[in-house]
Amino acid sequence: DAGVTQSPTHLIKTRGQHVTLRCSPISGHKSVSWYQQVLGQGPQFIFQYYEKEERGRGNFPDRFSARQFPNYSSELNVNALLLGDSALYLCASSFWASGGGSTDTQYFGPGTRLTVL
Amino acid sequence: GNSVTQMEGPVTLSEEAFLTINCTYTATGYPSLFWYVQYPGEGLQLLLKATKADDKGSNKGFEATYRKETTSFHLEKGSVQVSDSAVYFCALMMNNNAGNMLTFGGGTRLMVKP
Repeated sequence: DAGVTQSPTHLIKTRGQHVTLRCSPISGHKSVSWYQQVLGQGPQFIFQYYEKEERGRGNFPDRFSARQFPNYSSELNVNALLLGDSALYLCASSFWASGGGSTDTQYFGPGTRLTVL
Repeated sequence: GNSVTQMEGPVTLSEEAFLTINCTYTATGYPSLFWYVQYPGEGLQLLLKATKADDKGSNKGFEATYRKETTSFHLEKGSVQVSDSAVYFCALMMNNNAGNMLTFGGGTRLMVKP
């Protein structure tokens, strides 16, 4: 089975531009989460989507937005790019069923390396 | 809020040495605990997990035991190989209706020399 896929692999943008990153989850998984990993640090949670609805949001500015499509793939959008947005953006998918109380393992894609100049 | 603290690296060992990477957590409630590994230029791979106190997660010779009394989840391996060189991340996930976001530690780089 294919794992989580992300595109593009690498991206170079300039300050003030807009970027869209894409993620396809593992087949059968309905939840997608996005994380930002700055060089030398642990990943930081940005968003989680389940069944096309936002289920969680981390401490990121409104320049960051996301959505999930009917086929459960997802896009992360970042507007007005800043130098500090340079990072590895990781997508993770999981089979998270609503109802809570259960652990749901997240599986990560290879990431998109964004460089802002 | 929830947080994870890992020992700072890099940790440098010779092949076949014993490995311990310390991880402690702070959480309101009883989280599930994870170790992920990141090889150079790649995403995160799940290494092992434990969902409740006293559970032991294990995979590929690595082990970690969920210790509620010390809020710890230390990673151990009896004999490391050069191929184990990577960055290791400890993480927690709260089990509730509000989502299943992961909170990560800062990572510990392991370097294994032949």
